[in-house]
Amino acid sequence: AQSVSQHNHHVILSEAASLELGCNYSYGGTVNLFWYVQYPGQHLQLLLKYFSGDPLVKGIKGFEAEFIKSKFSFNLRKPSVQWSDTAEYFCAVNGRSSNTGKLIFGQGTTLQVKP
Amino acid sequence: EAQVTQNPRYLITVTGKKLTVTCSQNMNHEYMSWYRQDPGLGLRQIYYSMNVEVTDKGDVPEGYKVSRKEKRNFPLILESPSPNQTSLYFCASLRSQGSYEQYFGPGTRLTVT
Repeated sequence: AQSVSQHNHHVILSEAASLELGCNYSYGGTVNLFWYVQYPGQHLQLLLKYFSGDPLVKGIKGFEAEFIKSKFSFNLRKPSVQWSDTAEYFCAVNGRSSNTGKLIFGQGTTLQVKP
Repeated sequence: EAQVTQNPRYLITVTGKKLTVTCSQNMNHEYMSWYRQDPGLGLRQIYYSMNVEVTDKGDVPEGYKVSRKEKRNFPLILESPSPNQTSLYFCASLRSQGSYEQYFGPGTRLTVT
């Protein structure tokens, strides 16, 4: 079955702490991987994406993610979080050969950054 | 500006009263989709459409209908809403080929009492 699992449901950090959010997926075939962020009361915004090439991808606002194919993982990282990073983060996957583009989402991780 | 719009943004209604949530995109995308977001479950796809007059069920289609008469519009219809359809709904659009990057609308928060 196709699925995405985010291991951390609620993370609380102090400003300047480092962040790593785990994401593992189960999907047959070649995949595209995404991280989305949802700030309070706002819609989903794309943080970064991986289609092919360098498995370390950099996104907006200092975020990066590493695709490890052997571990079916796509963890999100940021060296130093800010209070403004408080949001919900979603990992998502779709199939490269899919002609529908359907995204499978993880359950989401709520990040709370204390000033 | 490229965007996906949804209306209304907030809606409180009663059980059984038919409602429609509109979705429109200005990017000439072939593919459009509806998701619902529930705490602890992430986003789940309700219906999708690959082009005009082509629609299909997603993972949680029960209680919903859609139509795609024009390329830019993809309304979500709840014929007889029930409290378990209280949720946050997102419309999304996507080019049929290329980056597979989906563009999401601002969301519609629906409460059914």
